[in-house]
Amino acid sequence: AQSVTQLDSHVSVSEGTPVLLRCNYSSSYSPSLFWYVQHPNKGLQLLLKYTSAATLVKGINGFEAEFKKSETSFHLTKPSAHMSDAAEYFCVVSANTGGFKTIFGAGTRLFVKA
Amino acid sequence: NAGVTQTPKFQVLKTGQSMTLQCAQDMNHNSMYWYRQDPGMGLRLIYYSASEGTTDKGEVPNGYNVSRLNKREFSLRLESAAPSQTSVYFCASSDRGQAAEAFFGQGTRLTVV
Repeated sequence: AQSVTQLDSHVSVSEGTPVLLRCNYSSSYSPSLFWYVQHPNKGLQLLLKYTSAATLVKGINGFEAEFKKSETSFHLTKPSAHMSDAAEYFCVVSANTGGFKTIFGAGTRLFVKA
Repeated sequence: NAGVTQTPKFQVLKTGQSMTLQCAQDMNHNSMYWYRQDPGMGLRLIYYSASEGTTDKGEVPNGYNVSRLNKREFSLRLESAAPSQTSVYFCASSDRGQAAEAFFGQGTRLTVV
């Protein structure tokens, strides 16, 4: 069975400070993990993905995430927040096996204060 | 450079009415998906089509039907709309199945009154 838990429904940071969005997963199989971003009234856009290569994954707009198997975590980070980062972020787990086993987290809304 | 195009963008239906949401992709992707997004619940899969000619139920298929018209187009039909189907609907496509990056349309905001 698979599941994904985003530990915070809302995160608020000041512009220029670090961002941490937390995601824990559970998977019976070797998973692929993704982070997507959704700006207001827009579709989802891929930020980055992990597919069993390097455990530290770099994405677009300065975001990165580290796959930690021992902690079953895939937290998203950015060293310095920008106003344009305000959006909703989704952690997604997908099983590399037969059938469709892609699960979206409930989402974390990021607020960035000036 | 259109990617995934959904129509309409907004729709209001009365309970019991029917409608079809259209989706087309121009990236020659094999797989296409329909999701619904509700507050605090992330995206939930309604139906998917792993390749042209095949469709399968996802997590929340009740009240919906789909048609993979050809490789480009994947439509979602509500036969008798209910207020519980008020949601934002997203179509997506991917090249090599679920482990590959999915590209999303802009969404259809549907209200059933």
